Amino acid sequence: TQLLEQSPQFLSIQEGENLTVYCNSSSVFSSLQWYRQEPGEGPVLLVTVVTGGEVKKLKRLTFQFGDARKDSSLHITAAQPGDTGLYLCAGAQYTGRRALTFGSGTRLQVQP
Amino acid sequence: EADIYQTPRYLVIGTGKKITLECSQTMGHDKMYWYQQDPGMELHLIHYSYGVNSTEKGDLSSESTVSRIRTEHFPLTLESARPSHTSQYLCASSSRGETGELFFGEGSRLTVL
Repeated sequence: TQLLEQSPQFLSIQEGENLTVYCNSSSVFSSLQWYRQEPGEGPVLLVTVVTGGEVKKLKRLTFQFGDARKDSSLHITAAQPGDTGLYLCAGAQYTGRRALTFGSGTRLQVQP
Repeated sequence: EADIYQTPRYLVIGTGKKITLECSQTMGHDKMYWYQQDPGMELHLIHYSYGVNSTEKGDLSSESTVSRIRTEHFPLTLESARPSHTSQYLCASSSRGETGELFFGEGSRLTVL
């Protein structure tokens, strides 16, 4: 059973379009991180959200942490080919687990 | 910029061979991790270490073993590789606990024939 479910799994869009990626769980997380991974490389951290309801913006990317700290979303405005990659959410739990749990991933391809 | 290095980047070997994947970081991080990832898929934690002489198994059962004799070095060993071990192995480190940013190496892509 996947603790963190991401949707959609795959997304292919045209340059300039907007998109939203979702990360959902039935568990509560103390914080949640979003990473982007390009082919042949390791994931790189984009943002960490800590407070329920928190919204963070990173240029054209907007991240939101759900009020109940069980879900998060990533919205990209006017997608660019450089946004292409695998987007991974990763959650930290309050107790019992000493490492992040990664989501199933969303593969995004932005066509020029 | 993160300073964490993995070698080899690519390795193709025959069944039954012993292999060691190297991971080194120069950031002085106490916490280090090994994740296994099939192409374009999620990461599965296979080992982690919170400091020298401290290693624990992760969520995904793995026949690999790790050691942490020095802070900067966290090698992963497979005593007898099998085709089912074919995957990408990602090493990461963190300066803080569960909420700390993970710095990843570029990965070691292993193919066992």
